[in-house]
Amino acid sequence: NAGVTQTPKFRVLKTGQSMTLLCAQDMNHEYMYWYRQDPGMGLRLIHYSVGEGTTAKGEVPDGYNVSRLKKQNFLLGLESAAPSQTSVYFCASSYSRIRVPNQPQHFGDGTRLSIL
Amino acid sequence: GQNIDQPTEMTATEGAIVQINCTYQTSGFNGLFWYQQHAGEAPTFLSYNVLDGLEEKGRFSSFLSRSKGYSYLLLKELQMKDSASYLCAVIRITGGGNKLTFGTGTQLKVEL
Repeated sequence: NAGVTQTPKFRVLKTGQSMTLLCAQDMNHEYMYWYRQDPGMGLRLIHYSVGEGTTAKGEVPDGYNVSRLKKQNFLLGLESAAPSQTSVYFCASSYSRIRVPNQPQHFGDGTRLSIL
Repeated sequence: GQNIDQPTEMTATEGAIVQINCTYQTSGFNGLFWYQQHAGEAPTFLSYNVLDGLEEKGRFSSFLSRSKGYSYLLLKELQMKDSASYLCAVIRITGGGNKLTFGTGTQLKVEL
């Protein structure tokens, strides 16, 4: 019963470095999402995917890229990390609204990313 | 645009009842979720409302009034483990699935 698994759980980067956050889900969900959570800001959607091979921008996409090569995986990339990207990143997944309307999103445990 | 408002913090006593309010303004409203998030952990699903009225699930209940743009989460028989942040999230149905817009959360502290 893994659900949504995020790796790594913690990471410290220097400004300008790149990295990829991995999200994997074993619930056969069609939709996957990446959020960031900052104090006083709530969860904000970065990018999302409605199926394998498709991605779309969310509320705060700048500075991030994503890929969904396999249905179960959703990758979030930072090409050139900036201190403003210090945050807790959450991945989530859900069934499609066509197959199971308005099912809740299931979240991973988060990745705590600090950029110095 | 969307706007979701929740109180930042609330304090209540173990065994008591607490009501956490959420007001929203959004286009394309199609339901509202409440999530619970303990410090350092992932948000977990509590309740879902799409029609006006009260949904009860054990010690937790959630109410929705679509005409007033208002929801509340009611927690009964409070326990210390209920100390957490409670997130109100509004659903908008778009071509890209059930996109959620989250409020900033209400930090509930349960005291003895």
